[in-house]
Amino acid sequence: EIVLTQSPGTLSLSPGERATLSCRASQSVSSNYLAWYQQKPGQAPRLLIYGASSRATGIPDRFSGSGSGTDFTLTISRLEPEDFAVYYCQQYGSSPPCTFGQGTKLEI
Amino acid sequence: EVQLVQSGAEVKKPGESLMISCKGSGYSFINYRIAWVRQMPGKGLEWMGIIYPGDSDTRYSPSFQGQVTISVDKPINTAYLQWNSLKASDTAMYYCARRSSFGYHFDYWGQGTLVTVSS
Repeated sequence: EIVLTQSPGTLSLSPGERATLSCRASQSVSSNYLAWYQQKPGQAPRLLIYGASSRATGIPDRFSGSGSGTDFTLTISRLEPEDFAVYYCQQYGSSPPCTFGQGTKLEI
Repeated sequence: EVQLVQSGAEVKKPGESLMISCKGSGYSFINYRIAWVRQMPGKGLEWMGIIYPGDSDTRYSPSFQGQVTISVDKPINTAYLQWNSLKASDTAMYYCARRSSFGYHFDYWGQGTLVTVSS
């Protein structure tokens, strides 16, 4: 099973600052199979990034993804108030076919 | 507009059975896999399993194999998640999600169904 470890667990920043979230895999993950989601309280997750670096439809360009192999990063260039949420990475590969990281909470 | 609409919140007793649903609209339902994802209170996302409505091919996470059943009813564009005997530890929010046609990510999500199991 591929385990995804996200860091930090909690990130405290202010609007306008840059956020860098990390997702490390226990085994190599194909970049095609790495995605990032945002979840706000009381809401379903929302797809932000797929294929490690492609933005989903309607996602602002302040969100960007990068990385390969076992190390992936989600960067939010200039935080807006609505960006404070929990972020999850997800990989799709071998059995089990899909796993999520434990999440990073981005707080003000 | 693509939508996944889930059935409403449920309150059940331990040992009872339950089936929750996820109805897709705005796209060709049989051509997109539907996954179920659990989120226990205050916790992260856990992938439970996935079904391809076209041929009902289903895969489960080892953590959930034998604990739940995923099925579909193609004529009504609906996927299901079923328990035969609920436990208190099944208390959680359950989401269905559509897997993208060109990748392995989940591009649309249902609103979630809260299942509470308590005596």
